Amino acid sequence: DAGVTQSPTHLIKTRGQHVTLRCSPISGHKSVSWYQQVLGQGPQFIFQYYEKEERGRGNFPDRFSARQFPNYSSELNVNALLLGDSALYLCASSPGRGAYEQYFGPGTRLTVT
Amino acid sequence: RKEVEQDPGPFNVPEGATVAFNCTYSNSASQSFFWYRQDCRKEPKLLMSVYSSGNEDGRFTAQLNRASQYISLLIRDSKLSDSATYLCVEGNFVFGPGTRLSVLP
Repeated sequence: DAGVTQSPTHLIKTRGQHVTLRCSPISGHKSVSWYQQVLGQGPQFIFQYYEKEERGRGNFPDRFSARQFPNYSSELNVNALLLGDSALYLCASSPGRGAYEQYFGPGTRLTVT
Repeated sequence: RKEVEQDPGPFNVPEGATVAFNCTYSNSASQSFFWYRQDCRKEPKLLMSVYSSGNEDGRFTAQLNRASQYISLLIRDSKLSDSATYLCVEGNFVFGPGTRLSVLP
């Protein structure tokens, strides 16, 4: 079975631009969560989507938004990019809404210049 | 503010050693805890869930102490391949900063 997939793998953007990151969960998993990980720190929770609705949101500005599609894949959008948005963006899938084990994709490494 | 704290390390131990990490959490209502390992520039991978009664998986043992609000991970007979960063997670999505382990030959 395929694991969690994310695209693109790497991305370089300029300050002020917009970016869209994509994630496909494990087949049968209905929950997708997004995290930002800066080097040397643990992942920071951005959003959880379950059954196409936002179920949780971390302490991130409104420039960050996401959505989940009927096939349970998800997109994370970041507007007006700042240098500080440079990070590894991780997507995790889990079977349910609660605190289940999560399975991570390989991440998208975003560099903002 | 709900936080999870870990000693960042690094813990440098010889092969075959036993090493233990602790992780403290602040949300006393949390019911679920997990340990993940993360290799350099890779994604976190689930190591084990932490149950109230504790659980063991081969050389790895996880314990939960609700009174003192910490969870622990014990690794016995360390292997070179155990070198990684170990992340503890409290409940819904709160990750600690990770503890770096280096197992030396």
